[in-house]
Amino acid sequence: DTGVSQDPRHKITKRGQNVTFRCDPISEHNRLYWYRQTLGQGPEFLTYFQNEAQLEKSRLLSDRFSAERPKGSFSTLEIQRTEQGDSAMYLCASIPTGGETQYFGPGTRLLVL
Amino acid sequence: QKEVEQNSGPLSVPEGAIASLNCTYSDRGSQSFFWYRQYSGKSPELIMFIYSNGDKEDGRFTAQLNKASQYVSLLIRDSQPSDSATYLCAVKRGSTLGRLYFGRGTQLTVWP
Repeated sequence: DTGVSQDPRHKITKRGQNVTFRCDPISEHNRLYWYRQTLGQGPEFLTYFQNEAQLEKSRLLSDRFSAERPKGSFSTLEIQRTEQGDSAMYLCASIPTGGETQYFGPGTRLLVL
Repeated sequence: QKEVEQNSGPLSVPEGAIASLNCTYSDRGSQSFFWYRQYSGKSPELIMFIYSNGDKEDGRFTAQLNKASQYVSLLIRDSQPSDSATYLCAVKRGSTLGRLYFGRGTQLTVWP
């Protein structure tokens, strides 16, 4: 499978716990985006990487959120001290160099109890 | 004013009919416009994109762009029950690094 992959696909956690999600973009896609989608809403931008550099962060990304892409390949998104409001689908998308179209992974569905 | 507005529907059409989905956007500097389809519980999948004013056709789908009116639409001809999904309009602004601004989606049901 050469598409964007995300792991885990589902995560249930208790409020206050930390969680980490992983995204593996399509091979050689140098641009990677994280979005969050809540029920009944469209995806909302969280952050953007070009290779290993984090070039843009949304104001939605509070201090409890951190993202990395250490070698310009896979990326991780960590949420510390989770809150019930963090419950959402977390989507990763990638674009090749010079491309326009974002290809989405299957998403990680987070439920904070 | 939201960046991208869509009628949330639901829109219901019979099989074989034309479904028309509409989207308006607020930033006149927007450059690229995308339509994604999202089945319940799944991630968005790209249907098509458009950059220039006018129509762009791809199979049963036609995207229409009118930059003067800041309006994008998607027509689905010969609608099938398998087209039943939420359709997301997304816009890329000229001033950003490729991030997409999404509408909340229009839920389409095609009944047999």
